[in-house]
Amino acid sequence: DQQVKQNSPSLSVQEGRISILNCDYTNSMFDYFLWYKKYPAEGPTFLISISSIKDKNEDGRFTVFLNKSAKHLSLHIVPSQPGDSAVYFCAAKDSSYKLIFGSGTRLLVRP
Amino acid sequence: KAGVTQTPRYLIKTRGQQVTLSCSPISGHRSVSWYQQTPGQGLQFLFEYFSETQRNKGNFPGRFSGRQFSNSRSEMNVSTLELGDSALYLCASSMRPGGTSETQYFGPGTRLLVL
Repeated sequence: DQQVKQNSPSLSVQEGRISILNCDYTNSMFDYFLWYKKYPAEGPTFLISISSIKDKNEDGRFTVFLNKSAKHLSLHIVPSQPGDSAVYFCAAKDSSYKLIFGSGTRLLVRP
Repeated sequence: KAGVTQTPRYLIKTRGQQVTLSCSPISGHRSVSWYQQTPGQGLQFLFEYFSETQRNKGNFPGRFSGRQFSNSRSEMNVSTLELGDSALYLCASSMRPGGTSETQYFGPGTRLLVL
């Protein structure tokens, strides 16, 4: 049973527009969430994180929103750039601090 | 500062064989975690080592094992390989184990193909 779900396997957006990647989780005990970006033939790289005591965290073009009541988080990329094309994974830390990952969303930003 | 390195990058084995993968963490990082990535499954946690001790273990069979050396380098071993073990195996390091905000840095992975 997947505790962290990314229901959209792929997303395509136009350069300059907003990309919104979604993630749902089932365990209300998760208290820290992260987004990683992965290019082909490379390991995932940390992008942005959010603690459950916050509902928003912003870093440049990247903003993560957390809705605890809905057990939902989203990553907004504004404006999207072709270099943002990658697979994005959301992850949650469980009580033993293990990272539980979603299955990823492949983002394609069209020039 | 060099990143996390993993060797080999690619490996082809046959069913029933065993395999050993190696991971060198970022200098100064003492915690190493291993993940398996398969299509559609995301990254699944295998185990975490700190100071040569396994701190955490995921839900994988006993055929998957690991260890960490005094220099923080880590190896994982898979015995009696099965076709379903074909995957990208990723290693991640961090300065300390666990922790809410401790960030893990990933290596490029070892792609294992079992025939």
